[in-house]
Amino acid sequence: GQQLNQSPQSMFIQEGEDVSMNCTSSSIFNTWLWYKQEPGEGPVLLIALYKAGELTSNGRLTAQFGITRKDSFLNISASIPSDVGIYFCAGGILTGGGNKLTFGTGTQLKVEL
Amino acid sequence: GAVVSQHPSRVICKSGTSVKIECRSLDFQATTMFWYRQFPKQSLMLMATSNEGSKATYEQGVEKDKFLINHASLTLSTLTVTSAHPEDSSFYICSASPEVSQKLFFGSGTQLSVL
Repeated sequence: GQQLNQSPQSMFIQEGEDVSMNCTSSSIFNTWLWYKQEPGEGPVLLIALYKAGELTSNGRLTAQFGITRKDSFLNISASIPSDVGIYFCAGGILTGGGNKLTFGTGTQLKVEL
Repeated sequence: GAVVSQHPSRVICKSGTSVKIECRSLDFQATTMFWYRQFPKQSLMLMATSNEGSKATYEQGVEKDKFLINHASLTLSTLTVTSAHPEDSSFYICSASPEVSQKLFFGSGTQLSVL
């Protein structure tokens, strides 16, 4: 199945630093969503984007839906230890059966105290 | 956000047995639910789209006779892994979306280990 290109694959940063990760695709999507997944758990929705160019924040998280509809980025400001986890982007295509998602390859974030 | 419940969270079974996984939307109705599979250190791959009252739609390469999906009500979809083998060992996750929302919410996943 198709996967989106997500970078970086992993990041090891210090507490308090800002983090940026992005996702690119060769296909256009109607929606972009960002999730965080911790070991043994299902993904938890962080931010959902619906329009090209849209910039949305959720606390220390900010994400943007690229103008071309083929990319999206997620920024985390002032990282803290609990930000550790794997972050996935997902591009969505609205079908008769709902919002069908294609996931990125994931970015593993590790935060050093 | 909306709550999606998945059960069981973990199952260990012998090769050749069948395993049923349940996915429930607790506070909303969902005509469509999605089933994903995730291997260790990999991303989520869509297996099938579960449609209430009709047949599921399977992604290319996913055997419909092996992964039986039933969406009997607006709040419940089940995935049955038939005649499971060790290569079916994986993390299975379901998702659903409230009717008016494009946001997909995920269950907590089921770790299947086939011995």
